[in-house]
Amino acid sequence: EVQLVDSGGGLVQPGGSLRLSCAASGFTFSSYSMSWVRQAPGKGLEWVSYISSSGSTIYYTDSVKGRFTISRDNAKNSLYLQMNSLRAEDTAVYYCARVSGSSGYYFFWGQGTLVTVSS
Amino acid sequence: EIVLTQSPATLSLSPGERATLSCRTSQSVSSYLAWYQQKPGQAPRLLIYDASNRATGIPVRFSGSGSGTDFTLTISSLEPEDFAVYYCQQRYNWPPETFGQGTKVEVK
Repeated sequence: EVQLVDSGGGLVQPGGSLRLSCAASGFTFSSYSMSWVRQAPGKGLEWVSYISSSGSTIYYTDSVKGRFTISRDNAKNSLYLQMNSLRAEDTAVYYCARVSGSSGYYFFWGQGTLVTVSS
Repeated sequence: EIVLTQSPATLSLSPGERATLSCRTSQSVSSYLAWYQQKPGQAPRLLIYDASNRATGIPVRFSGSGSGTDFTLTISSLEPEDFAVYYCQQRYNWPPETFGQGTKVEVK
């Protein structure tokens, strides 16, 4: 059974940092690209970042470029999102999601982890 | 960036009624469009991909249609568990991949 478990969220002050993790199981993690998608309270879904299966290709949405870093450790079946210089507008539930092989849709999602940026 | 516009924002219907949700894209996405369902406190769930293909385990009352810029998600007869928020997503021209703002299907 495919499982994605998000962790690492919490309360952080503006300008602070946080590292999110996503532990994967039930599939060959190293064969799949992964993404982070976030959802601000009461708002819609927003794609944040993408990393290819090998980690060689990475993309970010414009609002997080230069502040967030996506990475993965295929030996540990884990995906990460290092978030620096956090802003109030980064407050959201962050989901990791597995990218389907060909079409790129999200068949599997983590349960989400809440990041709150507030003083 | 391709913008997805969903309508209506809210759909008020009774169980057993038919629901028709629309998603329009600012430029053609061919058939590279998906629909997700999200219930409060839960992660989204993929319903439809490539505009008209049901994901594994999705009931047949959910169907998708359209291509180019106009897409429709139809729920033929609403069950109590179908009241939720629905999002469309395009993955034709990315990054960035984009989502619609959502349609809430609520009990009338």
